[in-house]
Amino acid sequence: GNSVTQMEGPVTLSEEAFLTINCTYTATGYPSLFWYVQYPGEGLQLLLKATKADDKGSNKGFEATYRKETTSFHLEKGSVQVSDSAVYFCALGGSQAGTALIFGKGTTLSVSS
Amino acid sequence: NAGVMQNPRHLVRRRGQEARLRCSPMKGHSHVYWYRQLPEEGLKFMVYLQKENIIDESGMPKERFSAEFPKEGPSILRIQQVVRGDSAAYFCASSPSGGDGSNQPQHFGDGTRLSIL
Repeated sequence: GNSVTQMEGPVTLSEEAFLTINCTYTATGYPSLFWYVQYPGEGLQLLLKATKADDKGSNKGFEATYRKETTSFHLEKGSVQVSDSAVYFCALGGSQAGTALIFGKGTTLSVSS
Repeated sequence: NAGVMQNPRHLVRRRGQEARLRCSPMKGHSHVYWYRQLPEEGLKFMVYLQKENIIDESGMPKERFSAEFPKEGPSILRIQQVVRGDSAAYFCASSPSGGDGSNQPQHFGDGTRLSIL
C-alpha cells in the first residue's frame, strides 16, 4: 500500500543554516505530495504542495520538488529562522477528491539563535 | 474568514464515559476528514464524510467509534466507553470539492486533545 517515510528528528540547527528534511514515498498511480507544518499546540498548516512529477512547491522560503524517479519530495530552506521551529510532516494524497492523506511520522526542527 | 473550527480544544473523560468531538468545516467546504495523532506519531486517517454520508471509514475502529456530518450543524466524532488508549489529539480537516473531481488540499483545525483518566 501507499506509505511515506521521512527522516527522523530532531533536527537542530543554528539560525541561517541550510535545512533539508528528507521524504520518500511509495504509491501507485499519480499521487499529490504535501508538506504540512505544526506549531506547538496547533493544528497542521499546509506549507506547500506538488501535484505532478517535476513540480516544485514553494512557500515562505521553503521548497520541495516532486521527483518521480527517486520517489522523493525533500523539503529545503536556504536560511532557517528561529520562528521555523516546528514539526514538519510529509504527506501523500490521491489524485481524486476525497482521498485521505497518508502522513510520515513528522520531523521536529529546532532552530537556535 | 474562519478556518476549520474544532471544540472543545481539551477534553478530559474518565474511563467508560463518552467523548463527543465537534468540527465545523471551512465555509464552502463539503468534505470532512477526521485524523488521530498519537504521541510521537504522525496523523492516521479515521473517516471521511460528506453531508449526511460516510464515504470512507476504513481507518475507524470497528467498535465504540462513530462519526456523522448532519445536514445542519457540525461533524461529530463520538467515542463511547472511552479507554486509556483513546488518549490522543483528534484533528478534523476539510476541503472543497474540486470542480473536476481532483484532490484539493485539506485544511486542518487546531485539534481536540482528549485525555482519559
